[in-house]
Order: sequence, then C-alpha cells, then structure tokens
Amino acid sequence: NAGVIQTPRHKVTGKGQEATLWCEPISGHSAVFWYRQTIVQGLEFLTYFRNQAPIDDSGMPKERFSAQMPNQSHSTLKIQSTQPQDSAVYLCASSLVTRGDTEVFFGKGTRLTVV
Amino acid sequence: AQSVTQPDARVTVSEGASLQLRCKYSYFGTPYLFWYVQYPRQGLQLLLKYYPGDPVVQGVNGFEAEFSKSNSSFHLRKASVHWSDWAVYFCAGNMGYKLTFGTGTSLLVDP
Repeated sequence: NAGVIQTPRHKVTGKGQEATLWCEPISGHSAVFWYRQTIVQGLEFLTYFRNQAPIDDSGMPKERFSAQMPNQSHSTLKIQSTQPQDSAVYLCASSLVTRGDTEVFFGKGTRLTVV
Repeated sequence: AQSVTQPDARVTVSEGASLQLRCKYSYFGTPYLFWYVQYPRQGLQLLLKYYPGDPVVQGVNGFEAEFSKSNSSFHLRKASVHWSDWAVYFCAGNMGYKLTFGTGTSLLVDP
C-alpha cells in the first residue's frame, strides 16, 4: 500500500498559467477529498467525491478552480489563470467509506508556487 | 458554526519532559475528534481518534488524548517527549465527511 500518491510534489507556474494537480487515492477507497494548506488560512476543505461522483465543492473558489474524478484511481484539481494567492500546499486524501469516524489518509501534498 | 481551536501556536518542551497540546471544539453535538501530526514535507498522519465511550484514547508512539464534554476539549498528552516528536500537530473534528482542522501547534523539542 503506497498510500495516497500526489504528483507533482512541487510545481511552479507563472501568473495566469494553468496548473493541474494529480492524485491517486488508495485502492478501494470510495471517498476522495482535496484540502488546501496555507500559513494564513491553515487547512481548508475544498471538495469531496464519493464513488467518483462530486458531492461537495463548497470550499472551491468558484471561478478558476475545478476538480474531476474520471475514474476510481485518480482525481485532478485544475486551477486556471493562477494567481499568487493560489500558492499553497494542496493535499489529496482518501478514506475507505464516508463516515465521521473513518480514518482519512493524506498524501504528501503538492506545493504550488505562483510567480 | 463548527470550529476547532488550538490556542497555542508553538510549544517548546525539553526532551523527556511531559507534553500537553490543547484543543477546544465548538460543534452542535459531539463530533468525532482526531489528532493528526505533520512532519516536515510530509502529509498528515493520524495519531489517534475519539469514539464516544472511554474519555481517554490511546494513540501511536505513546500519545494519548482526553475528551471532556463539559469543557469541549480534546487535549493531547505524552508522558515523555522524544526529539523525533518535533512536528506540527493538528486537532480536527468531523460530523459527517468534512474534517475541520485547528490552526495547528508547532512542537519544538529542546535536546
């Protein structure tokens, strides 16, 4: 079990460019989450998929952020027209089932730097 | 609104000393509660989680936490800190599927 795999680990983009972040959840896990971590805001929920279906994207900035899960083995987070304030560590996570007491497993994150 | 508060941004302890990291929660009802640890350049790793029942929960690496409904708290403790415990610790609550995290406490260990 390699855990949740995120690629790339580091990404530098120029302001206005597009960034795509990849996540491979743990095999067999039905729930996939994206969180964002910054010094100022801490850990923030972005979006959640259950059995590949988008369930809650309430944490996503509406205009430039989108997330997809085209199959059970990977999810992507796409940021269009990146801005310096998008610089953060983006964490993908997965859990076996969706229940409040279920352990959520986190990847090591992708550090996005917008210059 | 649901929230988790960690009032101490940074705590410094000497190696071998005891440790307590504070966590307060504010939820309508009693959430499931967790402590996660983040080592440098790593993701979050679960230390322990609270199930309704015994208020003291045992976790990995000698960590334990005590739940108090009257104080709305879930403090993390360790009897003897090791230098390898140097990390950032996050308290989190969950009522459904969405984890709500505290701001984290950086633990520094003096040799």
